[in-house]
Amino acid sequence: KAGVTQTPRYLIKTRGQQVTLSCSPISGHRSVSWYQQTPGQGLQFLFEYFSETQRNKGNFPGRFSGRQFSNSRSEMNVSTLELGDSALYLCASRSNPATDTQYFGPGTRLTVL
Amino acid sequence: GQQLNQSPQSMFIQEGEDVSMNCTSSSIFNTWLWYKQDPGEGPVLLIALYKAGELTSNGRLTAQFGITRKDSFLNISASIPSDVGIYFCAGLGHSTGNQFYFGTGTSLTVIP
Repeated sequence: KAGVTQTPRYLIKTRGQQVTLSCSPISGHRSVSWYQQTPGQGLQFLFEYFSETQRNKGNFPGRFSGRQFSNSRSEMNVSTLELGDSALYLCASRSNPATDTQYFGPGTRLTVL
Repeated sequence: GQQLNQSPQSMFIQEGEDVSMNCTSSSIFNTWLWYKQDPGEGPVLLIALYKAGELTSNGRLTAQFGITRKDSFLNISASIPSDVGIYFCAGLGHSTGNQFYFGTGTSLTVIP
């Protein structure tokens, strides 16, 4: 069974631009979570989607948004990029929000110049 | 999200030595997961624990779910160079609103 996939793997943007990241969960998994990872802050939870609905949201500004499609694929959007948004963005999937085991994708490395 | 206390923060060991690391929480968890992350890659799930007192092995890796349900331990025996990386714990419980809390990570360096 294929794992979680994320595209693109690397992205360079400039301040003020917006970006969209994509995540395809493991086949059959309907819950997708997004995390931001930086050396100083570690793994920070952004939000979780299940059945096209946002279930939980972390403490991030409204510039960070997401959505999930009927095939469980998810996208994350960051508008008006800031230098501090440079990070590794990780997507993780589990079969449903009640499931205890979560699998990560390889991540998208975003650099904001 | 909330971070769990993970120690040690970093380790430098000789190839062949055993390694131990642990995570502690102020909350009771129902699940503990251990991940390994290589630079620039996503965390890879190593071991999942679902029951207090549970001891689970995956090759040279052994993890335990603490009896108090507030801690977990990971041991690596006979370390090899490819064990290099950052190890994370993750916990899940009713108090976390069904969201995972993550440890701060242990950076492991194995000297050949």
